[in-house]
Amino acid sequence: AQTVTQSQPEMSVQEAETVTLSCTYDTSESDYYLFWYKQPPSRQMILVIRQEAYKQQNATENRFSVNFQKAAKSFSLKISDSQLGDAAMYFCAYRSLYGGATNKLIFGTGTLLAVQP
Amino acid sequence: DSGVTQTPKHLITATGQRVTLRCSPRSGDLSVYWYQQSLDQGLQFLIQYYNGEERAKGNILERFSAQQFPDLHSELNLSSLELGDSALYFCASSVVQGNEQFFGPGTRLTVL
Repeated sequence: AQTVTQSQPEMSVQEAETVTLSCTYDTSESDYYLFWYKQPPSRQMILVIRQEAYKQQNATENRFSVNFQKAAKSFSLKISDSQLGDAAMYFCAYRSLYGGATNKLIFGTGTLLAVQP
Repeated sequence: DSGVTQTPKHLITATGQRVTLRCSPRSGDLSVYWYQQSLDQGLQFLIQYYNGEERAKGNILERFSAQQFPDLHSELNLSSLELGDSALYFCASSVVQGNEQFFGPGTRLTVL
């Protein structure tokens, strides 16, 4: 079974600085998706970025980028130029590439990010 | 706004009761997923429906059941409620199986 581990329960960053959130996962599959979701105080789950395991290029979305190391099974999120609105719980998630019973998202325990003004 | 709607937003009930949570997926989405977020268990997958049929089950208790109707909306039924069922219940939808999942705002269930 696949597992996702986020070893940083809480992180803090100064406004305008850069912060990296860590995520590791375990799987025997070769093809899969990885995601970072943001959950602000409103509790809404918002997709931040996704990475297909078969793509070597790291995904980027504006100030958000990932460092995907497939061999190490590591998937970290870098937030550049941090803004107050980035304060939230961040979840790393895994999903198998293929259909059927493996469509579910498997989440880590989350990292609570505080942004200091 | 993801386009996924869930009602009610909040639900307070007593132990032993039964409740129904409702989810309307985004227009055109055929797949519906239910997730539970609790302090004890974190975010975990409960069940998935695709075009009216159950496709996958996760850590869903026997006291819980779900269905997806012909108009594609879904309901999650929770019965014989216990204190530990207090959680945030999310519905997510996707166009087809395997595509990106969009989450609704969740239903906050409090069992007293």
